[in-house]
Amino acid sequence: GAVVSQHPSRVICKSGTSVKIECRSLDFQATTMFWYRQFPKQSLMLMATSNEGSKATYEQGVEKDKFLINHASLTLSTLTVTSAHPEDSSFYICSAIRRPRGRIDYEQYFGPGTRLTVT
Amino acid sequence: AQSVTQPDIHITVSEGASLELRCNYSYGATPYLFWYVQSPGQGLQLLLKYFSGDTLVQGIKGFEAEFKRSQSSFNLRKPSVHWSDAAEYFCAVGAEDNNDMRFGAGTRLTVKP
Repeated sequence: GAVVSQHPSRVICKSGTSVKIECRSLDFQATTMFWYRQFPKQSLMLMATSNEGSKATYEQGVEKDKFLINHASLTLSTLTVTSAHPEDSSFYICSAIRRPRGRIDYEQYFGPGTRLTVT
Repeated sequence: AQSVTQPDIHITVSEGASLELRCNYSYGATPYLFWYVQSPGQGLQLLLKYFSGDTLVQGIKGFEAEFKRSQSSFNLRKPSVHWSDAAEYFCAVGAEDNNDMRFGAGTRLTVKP
């Protein structure tokens, strides 16, 4: 099946610094990628939709200046948490849409997640 | 926008017993429905999906789900649960006109020996 990778898997940073998380679709092109945030024992919360070659679409309540998303190519999207604070500590998950040519259905493949801890 | 409700936060079943996890969705058009499983420390894995056609869909690991439009439901079932099925299960609904996907709150499954 399709594979989506995330890097790093874990990161610890100091408050006030910025952290970049990469999401790559390894064996398919993804025009659309998503970024989610998951709190302990909770569901995934959609943060933003990342479209290749255009600006990301942020969900209500998500600060676009704090969570910078860049979808530079059909296989790479990055999430940068700027001026991180302890409340930004969370599990960040990306996903990529794979839509087989000529078919109406699609699948969403998820990365393994990145555990961010801000001290 | 679409939304998903998973009424059961936590379910415990004995190994070998049958399982049904409930999922109700809200969406005005044709929904695309998914069930994912997330094991501790693991990424989300797709169990099955429904787009159209037969309302009873078969997935991996012996799971199946039935789409019932009249009840706005997409319940997940398994006839005989294995200890390795203990995990968090998420129902999700996607839209036909875009790729936006919304997740339910999840149901944590515990399997007793």
